Amino acid sequence: GQQVMQIPQYQHVQEGEDFTTYCNSSTTLSNIQWYKQRPGGHPVFLIQLVKSGEVKKQKRLTFQFGEAKKNSSLHITATQTTDVGTYFCAGLITNAGKSTFGDGTTLTVKP
Amino acid sequence: DADVTQTPRNRITKTGKRIMLECSQTKGHDRMYWYRQDPGLGLRLIYYSFDVKDINKGEISDGYSVSRQAQAKFSLSLESAIPNQTALYFCATSDPRGNTQYFGPGTRLTVL
Repeated sequence: GQQVMQIPQYQHVQEGEDFTTYCNSSTTLSNIQWYKQRPGGHPVFLIQLVKSGEVKKQKRLTFQFGEAKKNSSLHITATQTTDVGTYFCAGLITNAGKSTFGDGTTLTVKP
Repeated sequence: DADVTQTPRNRITKTGKRIMLECSQTKGHDRMYWYRQDPGLGLRLIYYSFDVKDINKGEISDGYSVSRQAQAKFSLSLESAIPNQTALYFCATSDPRGNTQYFGPGTRLTVL
């Protein structure tokens, strides 16, 4: 069954507002990855987190990996219309050999 | 990524027809995957292969089969297509170290 849950499913924001999507696993993860899929496009790798409590930033995007390595978040500060798309997390469960994707959060940004 | 190509990009077929979707990669990765994407359901894994002799079922393999012809090629077949297999299909590759996945552009399949 689904082992990586992602919320919310949809998020509508006004341009300039912040946005956060959360990813939760029932089991400890070896790493977690984040992908972005633009409308009409394919998922594209954004970043990977490996260490407990790790925080990484990419411009307005902040990625966190929980201390227990069971949850992660992606936060976008001051959203822009270019941020629209679906954001997926993918968790690698220890010894599973492959990552499991969350269902994604679709972000729409109103200008 | 241009390193992962899928053919065809779009396909319309009829119920009961056999169809094959093809994926090729030039990244030199051993691991390849087939996913299906439906609106609101994210990416669901159909089959995956860790090398040419290794094929594994994913969470929704019923009604599908695969063939790993070479390290660079991984094909997905629908033996007898049905309308609820209408979806967007993605192929992906990864290397075994970090498991970062690189997706092809997708094949939009419509079964009438």
